[in-house]
Amino acid sequence: QQPVQSPQAVILREGEDAVINCSSSKALYSVHWYRQKHGEAPVFLMILLKGGEQKGHEKISASFNEKKQQSSLYLTASQLSYSGTYFCGTEIPGSYNQGGKLIFGQGTELSVKP
Amino acid sequence: DTGVSQNPRHKITKRGQNVTFRCDPISEHNRLYWYRQTLGQGPEFLTYFQNEAQLEKSRLLSDRFSAERPKGSFSTLEIQRTEQGDSAMYLCASSTRDHYNEQFFGPGTRLTVL
Repeated sequence: QQPVQSPQAVILREGEDAVINCSSSKALYSVHWYRQKHGEAPVFLMILLKGGEQKGHEKISASFNEKKQQSSLYLTASQLSYSGTYFCGTEIPGSYNQGGKLIFGQGTELSVKP
Repeated sequence: DTGVSQNPRHKITKRGQNVTFRCDPISEHNRLYWYRQTLGQGPEFLTYFQNEAQLEKSRLLSDRFSAERPKGSFSTLEIQRTEQGDSAMYLCASSTRDHYNEQFFGPGTRLTVL
């Protein structure tokens, strides 16, 4: 039930790009992306809904393939501040009316070096 | 809007003691979630409130755990007879009832059971 993220970890130089993937075995209503720095709360990045709606920060881009139950987060021209652990959280259809709990992946640790 | 706040930020307790954590959500948010996060893992759903009603509880939430949200405002999470396995970060999140269900997380309470 827990979505699977890949890769587990990635190291970048400043300015390089990265893609983080999230794959679910269940049909999804939405995918939420968060970044968490050590000892801090997860910070919202992006929501992608079934049907194509999106909401998120301007500098963040992501995709959601509903048929494959997969989402990808695209980090371009990385900065030192992008370092942290990225989590995807998934909602299954119908869960919104029942509360909308998120099921999180295990995380992808991103390190950006100067 | 001061965001979601949680108190205390850190709690160290001896096994067998009871502990209580508090979460103050964003004022206009009627949905409130509790998650638990252990090192190297994504947050795991514990329970959910819509206003003052507790509508869903995870099977992870044993009888030693209880949560309340009196008057639909702040929420408390109590753990009775703590065990070492309860050591984790306890995160609170809140959201509105819009279809995005963007969840804003608090800074968490880190519990250490000795």
